[in-house]
Amino acid sequence: QLQLQESGPGLVKPSQTLSLTCTVSGSITSSSYYWGWIRQPPGKGLEWIGSVYYSGSTHYNPSLKSRVTISVDTSKNQFSLKLSSVTAADTAVYYCARLTTMVQGVIIPWFDPWGQGTLVTVSS
Amino acid sequence: QTVVTQEPSLTVSPGGTVTLTCASSTGAVTSGYYPSWFQQKPGQAPRALIYSISNKHSWTPARFSGSLLGGKAALTLSGVQPEDEAEYYCLLYYGGAQLWVFGGGTKLTVL
Repeated sequence: QLQLQESGPGLVKPSQTLSLTCTVSGSITSSSYYWGWIRQPPGKGLEWIGSVYYSGSTHYNPSLKSRVTISVDTSKNQFSLKLSSVTAADTAVYYCARLTTMVQGVIIPWFDPWGQGTLVTVSS
Repeated sequence: QTVVTQEPSLTVSPGGTVTLTCASSTGAVTSGYYPSWFQQKPGQAPRALIYSISNKHSWTPARFSGSLLGGKAALTLSGVQPEDEAEYYCLLYYGGAQLWVFGGGTKLTVL
């Protein structure tokens, strides 16, 4: 059973860069999925941050694009999130998840499994 | 800015039927938006229930069904159980911008 686990600092200072890693229990390249990050501020809804393919191809939410970098390390079956110039508004639970695949040109929005999520607080 | 709108809250009696909807600020929701539905219980990660309008995951109970209804995506729960009390989120894809947008969520109370 495929499992994902987020890791990284739980506290980041304002203006600094938030860095998280997601470790996948299986091979990140064995199936043609996009992997990605979703966040949820305390008491609020979900926001898709971005996606990465094992080839390194990425898609980002335009609202965050100028500050986000998602990368993949296939040798470690990991993908990572960097969010720069953080503010208190970036305080959230950050989830990594297996997102989408494509079958005969049709997107399959699988969005499963998810990691358990990690709370990142932006505060001085 | 693209906005996906859901009912903030709904209440249903055990055994009853309820429909949650998901609307797009850009117009009618169609198959090209690949509408999906998620259930989230307190302290847990969301769990996917429905993808691409009406396709169920292997773990999705039969009482959950997805459809397009009046220009919106819809999630219907028939024969609601107490354990269905949760927050439900819809998700739409905006292909032109290659953007996935979640709705604000519907808090479903079973009472």
